[in-house]
Amino acid sequence: ETGVTQTPRHLVMGMTNKKSLKCEQHLGHNAMYWYKQSAKKPLELMFVYNFKEQTENNSVPSRFSPECPNSSHLFLHLHTLQPEDSALYLCASSPGLDHTGELFFGEGSRLTVL
Amino acid sequence: GQNIDQPTEMTATEGAIVQINCTYQTSGFNGLFWYQQHAGEAPTFLSYNVLDGLEEKGRFSSFLSRSKGYSYLLLKELQMKDSASYLCAATDSNYQLIWGAGTKLIIKP
Repeated sequence: ETGVTQTPRHLVMGMTNKKSLKCEQHLGHNAMYWYKQSAKKPLELMFVYNFKEQTENNSVPSRFSPECPNSSHLFLHLHTLQPEDSALYLCASSPGLDHTGELFFGEGSRLTVL
Repeated sequence: GQNIDQPTEMTATEGAIVQINCTYQTSGFNGLFWYQQHAGEAPTFLSYNVLDGLEEKGRFSSFLSRSKGYSYLLLKELQMKDSASYLCAATDSNYQLIWGAGTKLIIKP
């Protein structure tokens, strides 16, 4: 148990579907992140939220839409995805943004786009 | 550009010692992290080095040389449960994390 919970753990969707990934942290952290993890590639930072405000969007296509209603919850809304979007999507949290402390990761949502 | 290099895969024997190397090129430097990730699980924090030298934590040690842009993770008395991917990440001058692609470590009996 890492304190960061992601649902669903596995998701299969067609290119025309709309689905959402959910992340919840019970660590009292202020910063939350979405990462994409593809096989044999470095983690790709997608979005960063600090105190519910989006502080970073790393040129992510608009078919990925984040939402952060409060400091404990983070969503990633998915629509009209492409097969190359199939990957493990990891949520993480940290006390602040300075990255001198560890990130706490969820176990990820494995997404397959058909 | 900013870059992290680490071997893609390594194999070692149970009970032995293995060293996983990581070299980094970043715009400024504010520390280096190692994370462990078992298949299908969350990455978990192993170590953070910001000063030169070796830091030991049980069977795991992490070394940093800032002048060489180099770090390694040393795993002693290997156990089967150490089979995992090991991720190296450096923090640049803007406190952004730059990640390596990970090293898959296979432990054989």
